[in-house]
Amino acid sequence: NAGVMQNPRHLVRRRGQEARLRCSPMKGHSHVYWYRQLPEEGLKFMVYLQKENIIDESGMPKERFSAEFPKEGPSILRIQQVVRGDSAAYFCASSPQPTVMNTEAFFGQGTRLTVV
Amino acid sequence: AQTVTQSQPEMSVQEAETVTLSCTYDTSENNYYLFWYKQPPSRQMILVIRQEAYKQQNATENRFSVNFQKAAKSFSLKISDSQLGDTAMYFCAFMKHTTSGTYKYIFGTGTRLKVLA
Repeated sequence: NAGVMQNPRHLVRRRGQEARLRCSPMKGHSHVYWYRQLPEEGLKFMVYLQKENIIDESGMPKERFSAEFPKEGPSILRIQQVVRGDSAAYFCASSPQPTVMNTEAFFGQGTRLTVV
Repeated sequence: AQTVTQSQPEMSVQEAETVTLSCTYDTSENNYYLFWYKQPPSRQMILVIRQEAYKQQNATENRFSVNFQKAAKSFSLKISDSQLGDTAMYFCAFMKHTTSGTYKYIFGTGTRLKVLA
């Protein structure tokens, strides 16, 4: 059973380009979370998605960032017109339907985005 | 809003010794979960240990144990018999599960632990 798969592991973009980060959840998981980790900081929540539905996007910047989790295929975090401040590690986590007995989300290895 | 504070940016410990990492949090909730995650240089987030707030007994997982003080909102991690492979960033995290089925983790800023040979 493969874990949460993120690709690419490293992504370099020039200022103004678009960055697309992909996350394939664990088999059977219908919930995906995206987090951003700036250098020497903890993980900051960005968005929580269920298939074809955004549950909570309270951590997403209002502009240039969007996320989707289609019925088929991976979840995508899209950053348009990237700036240097977007350079960070972006982590995806997945879980099955949350219940009081099921509290763990499983993390991928992250995508390190570098904007030059 | 919930916050998680880790006041020790860096710590070091001699191999085979014991070390304790601090974590405090702030919440008005009564039911929640607390976690310690380890992030080695590979960047993979690895769950070390979890604690349900409704349980009084402190969680243990082999060499890892927690001291959970609910009234003080404190959740420290003790690593016994430290090993070189324990060298990593350690993140404390708070998570509240809602009846509507939503949750998100709130992470602290991390403690960088170095185990010395």
